Amino acid sequence: QSALTQPASVSGSPGQSITISCTGTSSDVGGYNYVSWYQQHPGKAPKLMIYGVSKRPSGISDRFSGSKSGNTASLTISGLQAEDEADYYCSSYTSSTSFAVFGGGTKLTVL
Amino acid sequence: EVQLVESGGGLVQPGGSLRLSCAASGLTFSSYAMTWVRQAPGKGLEWVSTISSSGDRIYDADSVKGRFTISRDNSKNTLYLQVNSLRAEDTAVYYCAKVLSTMRDYYYYMDVWGTGTTVTVSS
Repeated sequence: QSALTQPASVSGSPGQSITISCTGTSSDVGGYNYVSWYQQHPGKAPKLMIYGVSKRPSGISDRFSGSKSGNTASLTISGLQAEDEADYYCSSYTSSTSFAVFGGGTKLTVL
Repeated sequence: EVQLVESGGGLVQPGGSLRLSCAASGLTFSSYAMTWVRQAPGKGLEWVSTISSSGDRIYDADSVKGRFTISRDNSKNTLYLQVNSLRAEDTAVYYCAKVLSTMRDYYYYMDVWGTGTTVTVSS
């Protein structure tokens, strides 16, 4: 069982916005601003989409945004596009292991 | 362009060992911490181990402590993962990844990933 809890699946229509949640505890998400999000298409390596809760790496579309409230971090994708269909993973520093932990992943389906 | 190419995976019996390698190019390898992440078939990502740029600091997941050893050779631009006492639950694609920045606070973010090497543990 993953230390961070994500919904197994979310869906949305092209052009819509969706939000994926990532719930942890005060020992990880709630206690530190070391939250990141990765996108993974089938058979491909993960891709860093958000780091430091809300920062975007160079080249990542501003349709992707991150936020945090209490023990829950969120990834919002606006203006959904077909190519956004993928698995998304959150990650956070955790004091439990003194390093990082991933969420279980969320499958995004673009209808 | 930064490239990471893993090798060394394969089929191994329970209790066996392998050494995974990750050859890096297109970056000043000795400046960046590096990480191994694995993904079991049909499952999510699992952080395995991270090593600092000089190799003097190592961080391991509890699930692999005492069995897996991360190391690096900066003269060869290569990252390694020695995997011993393998179990069926170690079956996974193993990715090497570069951390986002040279600063310690960025060790938790991986911005360049290899394509992975597959380890299958089965008798």
